[in-house]
Amino acid sequence: DAGVIQSPRHEVTEMGQEVTLRCKLISGHNSLFWYRQTMMRGLELLIYFNNNVPIDDSGMPEDRFSAKMPNASFSTLKIQPSEPRDSAVYFCASRPGGRSGELFFGEGSRLTVL
Amino acid sequence: EDKVVQSPLSLVVHEGDTVTLNCSYEVTNFRSLLWYKQEKKAPTFLFMLTSSGIEKKSGRLSSILDKKELFSILNITATQTGDSAVYLCAVLGNAGNMLTFGGGTRLMVKP
Repeated sequence: DAGVIQSPRHEVTEMGQEVTLRCKLISGHNSLFWYRQTMMRGLELLIYFNNNVPIDDSGMPEDRFSAKMPNASFSTLKIQPSEPRDSAVYFCASRPGGRSGELFFGEGSRLTVL
Repeated sequence: EDKVVQSPLSLVVHEGDTVTLNCSYEVTNFRSLLWYKQEKKAPTFLFMLTSSGIEKKSGRLSSILDKKELFSILNITATQTGDSAVYLCAVLGNAGNMLTFGGGTRLMVKP
């Protein structure tokens, strides 16, 4: 099993540019979570999907952030326009249906907005 | 709002020492508590605890949950430099089926 796959691993961009982060779930998992991690705020949940449907997006900072899950195995997180304060590591995690906890994390996408 | 607080924020020990990491929580309809280890990349799963007073053990690591006092501890005995990492505690409540993470404890083990 390949695990959760995220891309890109690193992105450096300029303020105002659009950023798209991608995530491929583990086959058979039906819940997907996007987290953001910074030194100041730790791991923060941005949004999560269950069976491709967004369940809770209350953690999405503002309208500049959007997430989609066009099919059962793939999701994108888009930031448009990006700002320096968006610099963080963005993790995607998935979870099998029916389990009560364990998340499987991707390697993360480190975003730097200049 | 669910809340998870970990202490200490950071810890520096020498190889061979024993450490205890703390996690306290407030969560609606508690279901489980999880410990993760994060080195340079993604958090990796260590333990999931659902029942009070039952110790989970894996090698030199062990963890126990106290649902009455709303906390958990993670013990590492005979620490090694490879134990250096951020240890994250997370709780799962019924509300929203989401994991809420604490801020982590950064452990550094010196040779």
